[in-house]
Amino acid sequence: QVQLVQSGPEVKKPGSSVKVSCKASGGTFSSYAISWVRQAPGQGLEWMGGIIPIFGTANYAQKFQGRVTITADKSTSTAYMELSSLRSEDTAVYYCAKAAAAAGKPSSFDYWGQGTLVTVSS
Amino acid sequence: EIVLTQSPGTLSLSPGERATLSCRASQSVSSSYLAWYQQKPGQAPRLLIYGASSRASGIPDRFSGSGSGTDFTLTISRLEPEDFAVYYCQQYGSSPQTFGQGTKLEIK
Repeated sequence: QVQLVQSGPEVKKPGSSVKVSCKASGGTFSSYAISWVRQAPGQGLEWMGGIIPIFGTANYAQKFQGRVTITADKSTSTAYMELSSLRSEDTAVYYCAKAAAAAGKPSSFDYWGQGTLVTVSS
Repeated sequence: EIVLTQSPGTLSLSPGERATLSCRASQSVSSSYLAWYQQKPGQAPRLLIYGASSRASGIPDRFSGSGSGTDFTLTISRLEPEDFAVYYCQQYGSSPQTFGQGTKLEIK
């Protein structure tokens, strides 16, 4: 059974950065893409980008290009999402999610982390 | 990017009734790469349907998906108390993958 365990809640100042981790267990980490999806309070889901650990290259939604960096450490089966130049609108729950299909194929998300609340406030 | 519009925004039904949720795409969704998720308060989304009509592992058969092209439907044949939640559709055939704004299924 795959489990994705994320790091704890964060409170950040506007203009700063945040780095959220997502540790996978119970599956083959490198072969499946990990994506990051965020959800602002009371709002819907928004895909930010993803990475296939075995390839190491990430792709990002245009909205977040230049502000988000997604990386993966195969040795610890952990994915990371760093978001910079934070503003109040970035206050949200950030989820990591594992692709259901193997690397390179379009895929839904079959496992999700528990979510990490990032609050941006002065 | 493909915009997904879900309707209705809120659906009020009673346990035992049938629920029909709609998801319309602004462009054709390639190869029916359309998924449905259920989300309860304070929880992560749960995958229900992928490929427009395939049930994910462990999902009861009262959940079914249909559609192709730009029009997709999630049907819950007989509502159980635990089915009242928010439902999202997602297209993953075109980048960026996108989600609908959600349909809230509430107890009448």
